[in-house]
Amino acid sequence: GAVVSQHPSWVICKSGTSVKIECRSLDFQATTMFWYRQFPKQSLMLMATSNEGSKATYEQGVEKDKFLINHASLTLSTLTVTSAHPEDSSFYICSPRLAGRKETQYFGPGTRLLVL
Amino acid sequence: KQEVTQIPAALSVPEGENLVLNCSFTDSAIYNLQWFRQDPGKGLTSLLLIQSSQREQTSGRLNASLDKSSGRSTLYIAASQPGDSATYLCAVGKSSNDYKLSFGAGTTVTVRA
Repeated sequence: GAVVSQHPSWVICKSGTSVKIECRSLDFQATTMFWYRQFPKQSLMLMATSNEGSKATYEQGVEKDKFLINHASLTLSTLTVTSAHPEDSSFYICSPRLAGRKETQYFGPGTRLLVL
Repeated sequence: KQEVTQIPAALSVPEGENLVLNCSFTDSAIYNLQWFRQDPGKGLTSLLLIQSSQREQTSGRLNASLDKSSGRSTLYIAASQPGDSATYLCAVGKSSNDYKLSFGAGTTVTVRA
């Protein structure tokens, strides 16, 4: 299967700071990247969808100015949580879609964010 | 809006027992349904993918059925092992052009040795 990495795997930060999460597809090109968020004992909730080289599309209720997504290349997408607050503490998971492989859904290992 | 529900939320069984995990969804107009495994603090591993035109998929000890008209899917795990302990998530795909998934909250399984 495809290899997807996320960095960092976990991060603790103070309230008000910004945190950048990287998602890399190591052995394939991802034309589309999905970013999900998962609160404890809850479903994964889609936050946004980004296509390489274009602006991300955000789901209802997700602040685009707070969660900045960059998908500048086919192998790297970043999610920046700006001015993080304790309620942003969650598990963030990226999911790249492989170009030309419609059915395949791969997921990164996730990044756990704790905002104090 | 698609709502995906998984029952039970948690399940504990002795080793060797068969597992039955249920998933229901409110909108039967789906493209596909997937079952994933998630270990604590980890990402997701795809287990089985069922297209909307299919009734079931099998992989080793795992079998997943799909009844699209009633909005239900069931994941069967035969002869459970302690290594099967994890959270199992079902996710529904909307269409061939929209790869967004709607997830259930998962069933956390503990297999006791």
